[in-house]
Amino acid sequence: EDQVTQSPEALRLQEGESSSLNCSYTVSGLRGLFWYRQDPGKGPEFLFTLYSAGEEKEKERLKATLTKKESFLHITAPKPEDSATYLCAVLDSIQGAQKLVFGQGTRLTINP
Amino acid sequence: EPEVTQTPSHQVTQMGQEVILRCVPISNHLYFYWYRQILGQKVEFLVSFYNNEISEKSEIFDDQFSVERPDGSNFTLKIRSTKLEDSAMYFCATRGQYNQPQHFGDGTRLSIL
Repeated sequence: EDQVTQSPEALRLQEGESSSLNCSYTVSGLRGLFWYRQDPGKGPEFLFTLYSAGEEKEKERLKATLTKKESFLHITAPKPEDSATYLCAVLDSIQGAQKLVFGQGTRLTINP
Repeated sequence: EPEVTQTPSHQVTQMGQEVILRCVPISNHLYFYWYRQILGQKVEFLVSFYNNEISEKSEIFDDQFSVERPDGSNFTLKIRSTKLEDSAMYFCATRGQYNQPQHFGDGTRLSIL
């Protein structure tokens, strides 16, 4: 069964303090790994898709990277508005299946 | 930017009652999904829907649940006889072509009393 584990559960940083969030996955064949941002009371907001080891995507202060076993979401010089829960999900490995399997998320707080 | 719209934002219902949650997909999206998130837990898949039929469903999606797209625009999730454990945030997601990401609405908070 596909599994996604995120760490840490919660992370508190000072504004400008760079760090990384981890997403470890166990799938029989990766068909896509997704990063979402979720604000309190809102739905997940799409950030990135990664398909193969070595791939990287960037958006503003965020960069997502992928290896064969894990993905990292690097946040550079974060601002308070980057505070949110960041969710990692994989597309179910069964061919033709379309469901996303989510990790439990990392709750990121950026203090001014 | 196009959005997935869900109504109502909050639904409070007595146990045993039927509820219908509604979703307006992004225009020209063809694949539709329902997920739920119990407070403090992971987002979990319920069902996927394509070409007017269910393409995949989880163990959670039992006979009490049903989905349909009655008028070609709204996509609905019905829970026939609600239980206390159905209390959760329910998210609708939609996507366009096969390899495009799923886009989520802001959810319906369902509270069963």
